[in-house]
Formats: sequence, structure tokens, C-alpha cells
Amino acid sequence: GDSVTQMEGPVTLSEEAFLTINCTYTATGYPSLFWYVQYPGEGLQLLLKATKADDKGSNKGFEATYRKETTSFHLEKGSVQVSDSAVYFCALSLNQAGTALIFGKGTTLSVSS
Amino acid sequence: GAGVSQSPSNKVTEKGKDVELRCDPISGHTALYWYRQSLGQGLEFLIYFQGNSAPDKSGLPSDRFSAERTGGSVSTLTIQRTQQEDSAVYLCASSLGPSIYNEQFFGPGTRLTVL
Repeated sequence: GDSVTQMEGPVTLSEEAFLTINCTYTATGYPSLFWYVQYPGEGLQLLLKATKADDKGSNKGFEATYRKETTSFHLEKGSVQVSDSAVYFCALSLNQAGTALIFGKGTTLSVSS
Repeated sequence: GAGVSQSPSNKVTEKGKDVELRCDPISGHTALYWYRQSLGQGLEFLIYFQGNSAPDKSGLPSDRFSAERTGGSVSTLTIQRTQQEDSAVYLCASSLGPSIYNEQFFGPGTRLTVL
């Protein structure tokens, strides 16, 4: 079935370090791909998305490129901040109206100063 | 404007009792989704509403779970005869419409603990 696999955490980094969180997917057809973030005590928020192959989503210094050939959507940031500490979820949506999001299990990022 | 709200924020109940969880979507959002976030399973889809209809109930784990939506707005998720494995955070999301291009906005969740 359709699924998302992301690297298990926690990921612990120092401020200004480079971040990569790996995400791969299995899907029938051509899904749209998303990264959601959950800051401590807050609800899930959309961070970025890409709807077709080779699209790059970007927001708040984070980037992810939709790679169809490797079925991946890895999240990267060049220089993390303490305020980036959160749980990050990779997700896909099959391109049908009303289709729910299928999430990975989440990766906890902890950034220290 | 107001986001998605859910109530209660926390609910502790005894095994075997029924519970109702409420979701108030963003005004004007026709699509509404329920998800469950648990330690072992991650985030799982439960049910999708378009207006007051539920075209996709495929994620409801058992017939103890039901949901309704009235007036194209508020939705209630009901769990009957709760079990300990129902303990989780229940999340509601809404979007302008069912298109995948409409962002889903999530509420803060209801944390359910079944003793």
C-alpha cells in the first residue's frame, strides 16, 4: 500500500549545523508530497510541499525536492536555529480529491545553542 | 481569523465509557478530516467529510468509532465502549475544499487517555 518512511530520530544538532531528514515514499500514481512541522505545544503546520516531480518546495530556509527516480523528498536546511526544534512529518497525498494525507512517523529535531 | 478548534483538549475516561470529541473547522471550509496520532502508529487517517457527507470512512478502526458533521461545520467523533488502545491524540483538519491543492489546517488535538 501507499506509505511514507522517514528517518527515525531524535536528531540532535548544534545551532548553525546543516540538517537533512530523509523521507522516501511508496505510492500508486504520482502523489503530492509535503513536510509538516509540529512545534512544542502547537498543532501541525504545513512547512512546504511539492506537487510534481523535480519541484522544489521551500519555506523558512527549509527545502525539499521531489525526486521521482528515487521516490524521495528529503528535507534540508543549511543552518538550523534553536527555534527549529520540533517534530517533522513527511506526508503524501494521492492526487484525488478528498484524499487524506499519509504520514511518516515523524522525526524529532532538537537544536542546542 | 480563527483556526481549527477542538474540544476538550484533554479527556481521561475509564475503559468501557463512551466519549465525544468535537471539532470546529475554519469557517467556509467544506472538507474536514479526522486523524489519530499514537505512539506506536504515528499519524493515521480516520475519516473524511465533504459537507455533511463522509465519502471516505476507511480509516475508522472499528465499529465502535463513528463521526458526524452537521450544518457543514462542526464535527463530532464518538468512540463507544472505549478501550486502552484508543488512547491517542485525535486531530481534526479542515480545508477549503477536497482538492489536494487546498492546504489542510490542523487543530491542536484532543488527548484521550483511557484508564
